Amino acid sequence: AQSVSQHNHHVILSEAASLELGCNYSYGGTVNLFWYVQYPGQHLQLLLKYFSGDPLVKGIKGFEAEFIKSKFSFNLRKPSVQWSDTAEYFCAAFNFGNEKLTFGTGTRLTIIP
Amino acid sequence: DAGITQSPRYKITETGRQVTLMCHQTWSHSYMFWYRQDLGHGLRLIYYSAAADITDKGEVPDGYVVSRSKTENFPLTLESATRSQTSVYFCASRSGTSTDTQYFGPGTRLTVL
Repeated sequence: AQSVSQHNHHVILSEAASLELGCNYSYGGTVNLFWYVQYPGQHLQLLLKYFSGDPLVKGIKGFEAEFIKSKFSFNLRKPSVQWSDTAEYFCAAFNFGNEKLTFGTGTRLTIIP
Repeated sequence: DAGITQSPRYKITETGRQVTLMCHQTWSHSYMFWYRQDLGHGLRLIYYSAAADITDKGEVPDGYVVSRSKTENFPLTLESATRSQTSVYFCASRSGTSTDTQYFGPGTRLTVL
């Protein structure tokens, strides 16, 4: 069965620091990959997605992610974080076999002003 | 543009009671999903539906019942609530296209006493 791993459970950074959140997926075939963000008390919103083509994907709010097929990874990055980036971040992979998204357990990001 | 709505947003109930959480989407998306979000587990799929009158189990279906008589509605019923079902429940929807984004509702915070 497909799985998604997010190894960083809680990340604490100061404002203006650079961010990289790890995401690894297990499926070896075609994958669609997503990063969602959940701000405190809110629902999940799409940050960015990868289907095909350029492995470097740019999303909203200055976030980007790089798909590295050989490493089964789709890490999320931002060069300079802001206090407003404090949220929980979820990586997800779309399984073409069962047409469902598989989510990682999430990474809680806390930005210190 | 209402998108996807859930009701109630907050619910407190007692063990053994039946509870129904409502989900409504205005996009005529064919796919709808119910997830629960718990600390340390991320998002886990309870049930999903590919179209009206078609439903299927996800990872954690025990204790839950769903129906989908109309495309736009996907209610989730806890037939006899247990304390372990205390959680935040998110409904989501997606079009039939596998590359489309999955959109989430605002969530229902359920407490079972």
